[in-house]
Amino acid sequence: DIQMTQSPSTLSASVGDRVTISCRASQSISHWLAWYQQKPGKAPKLLISKASSLESGVPSRFSGSGSGTEFTLSISSLQPDDVATYYCQQYNSYLYTFGQGTKLEIK
Amino acid sequence: QLQLKESGPGLVKPSGTLSLFCTVFAGSISNNNFYWGWIRQTPGKGLEWIGTFHYSGITYYNPSLKTRVTISADTSNNQLSLRMTSVTATDTAVYYCARLKRLDDPFDIWGQGTMVTVSS
Repeated sequence: DIQMTQSPSTLSASVGDRVTISCRASQSISHWLAWYQQKPGKAPKLLISKASSLESGVPSRFSGSGSGTEFTLSISSLQPDDVATYYCQQYNSYLYTFGQGTKLEIK
Repeated sequence: QLQLKESGPGLVKPSGTLSLFCTVFAGSISNNNFYWGWIRQTPGKGLEWIGTFHYSGITYYNPSLKTRVTISADTSNNQLSLRMTSVTATDTAVYYCARLKRLDDPFDIWGQGTMVTVSS
């Protein structure tokens, strides 16, 4: 299995801050990486696919980058509505695996 | 807009069989353009992919669950189903169904999820 490791596990930042979440794959997955946002009691919502392609309707303050084994999700200016847990997922192989999640809080 | 909704018993006894259904609204489970998947979420293991299904009969299962899981379709009810045998407390989770446009795509549409507790 391809293991996905996210850091940090918890992140606290102020409104307006730039926030960065990292995701590392245990082997190269090219650009086959997605980012999801999950709010309490809700299903994950797809934000970014193919490492950097923003899904329709997702605010432009979200961006993704990386390839191979190192990936990053960035929020350019943190908003209160961004409080959630964020997950990366690899789909390089059909044995899909997820990161353990990064909980984002407002200071 | 396609929507998915999971249903099934919220409580299953240990060693029993878990059976869940995912009803597809504003779409068809037999649409050959899409794949369908089951994912579960526990506090301990996070999000875990269970399996993927295509109406053509293609199925892929998580190797760690493969011996206990069957995913199939019921076209008369436009549902995807999940059957998991010999359940234990570690199978307690929120179970989601989701859609993929292709195998090399992420899950773009998710159901709301259904909580299943394994307990006597």
